[in-house]
Amino acid sequence: QSVLTQPPSASGTPGQRVTISCSGSSSNIGTNYVYWYQQLPGAAPKLLISRNNQRPSGVPDRFSGSKSGTSAFLAISWLRSEDEADYYCAAWDDGLFAGVFGPGTNVTVL
Amino acid sequence: QVQLVQSGAEVKKPGASVKVSCKTSGYTFTSYDINWVRQATGQGLEWMGWMNPNSGNTGYALRFQGRVTMTKNTSISTVYMELSSLGSEDTAVYYCARANVGFDVNFDYWGQGTLVTVSS
Repeated sequence: QSVLTQPPSASGTPGQRVTISCSGSSSNIGTNYVYWYQQLPGAAPKLLISRNNQRPSGVPDRFSGSKSGTSAFLAISWLRSEDEADYYCAAWDDGLFAGVFGPGTNVTVL
Repeated sequence: QVQLVQSGAEVKKPGASVKVSCKTSGYTFTSYDINWVRQATGQGLEWMGWMNPNSGNTGYALRFQGRVTMTKNTSISTVYMELSSLGSEDTAVYYCARANVGFDVNFDYWGQGTLVTVSS
């Protein structure tokens, strides 16, 4: 089992807004930054959201991140077909002294 | 531009070891940690450990301790990850990733991945 919890799947139609949750604990999300990664089929993961809510250069502003307590959220606005991918949350865990990933959420555009 | 280029696919027998390289370029090698993350087919991402190329310090996930070793060759800006006592459960794509800050999972650049297949 993953230290972080995510729903296995999410979906929406083009133009809709989709939100993915990531639940952790005081030793990871509650204390440290949360990062989100997008993994397109057959590709390496790509940093999508840094430090809870920062978008790296080149990431569209349709993607946004937030954090509240021991949970984090990734929102995808104005969903597009090219957003079909797996999305992973990640954080450092002070108790494990290790990086931890969520199990991933597969986003489907209907 | 920043690049992390990994070595090619490997096929190993159970009990053997594998050593994957990650050659970096486009930035100062000793200024950023390199982490290793693996992904079994159809599965999620699993963090394995980190190396600081400046100090040589390393940190490994508990489940890999005793089986993984991360080393470096500063002269060619390359980090290596060696995993021993391979089993079928180690069949996965192994990624190296540059960490913007130590003791964090801010991986801003990734290698292309190296498929390691463990099969008798």
